[in-house]
Amino acid sequence: GQQLNQSPQSMFIQEGEDVSMNCTSSSIFNTWLWYKQDPGEGPVLLIALYKAGELTSNGRLTAQFGITRKDSFLNISASIPSDVGIYFCAGQRTGNQFYFGTGTSLTVIP
Amino acid sequence: KAGVTQTPRYLIKTRGQQVTLSCSPISGHRSVSWYQQTPGQGLQFLFEYFSETQRNKGNFPGRFSGRQFSNSRSEMNVSTLELGDSALYLCASSSTAGDSPLHFGNGTRLTVT
Repeated sequence: GQQLNQSPQSMFIQEGEDVSMNCTSSSIFNTWLWYKQDPGEGPVLLIALYKAGELTSNGRLTAQFGITRKDSFLNISASIPSDVGIYFCAGQRTGNQFYFGTGTSLTVIP
Repeated sequence: KAGVTQTPRYLIKTRGQQVTLSCSPISGHRSVSWYQQTPGQGLQFLFEYFSETQRNKGNFPGRFSGRQFSNSRSEMNVSTLELGDSALYLCASSSTAGDSPLHFGNGTRLTVT
């Protein structure tokens, strides 16, 4: 099935730094979601986006629905150790399945 | 509100056996989707059920099947297990079929030996 291109694949950053990651697709989506997954657990929903150009925040996290509707971006400001995990994007055309990105593994160095 | 509950958490089976995994969605959610997660392939969509009907199906062989009950609980079955079926199987529920976000359980870790 289709997988979204997510980059970077992994990141190693110092605590307090900002983080940016993005997700691109060859298809137009109506919905973009961002998830975080910790080891041994299921993905947890961070932010949901429903409109091109939409910018939504959840605490230190901010995500944007790209204007072309083929991409989305996630930013984390002032990273802390508990931000460690794998971040996934997911996109959907209404009524169809969600397609997931390949994940960005984030390591925060104290 | 209780989250998505998947049972069992861990399962070890032998090649050729069959297995059934269970998922209880968030109360009030009528859509249940199943995903297979492996390190090499990421999250791959298996199928989605809404009101006991399969609405979408991924590209998996017929050995993978599922069903949904009238209380929205869902099961998936894998017959004639192969070594490559070893994976984390994730169930996700949403309030309606459509663009409602998915809420995941913690998965069932299946190991096939």
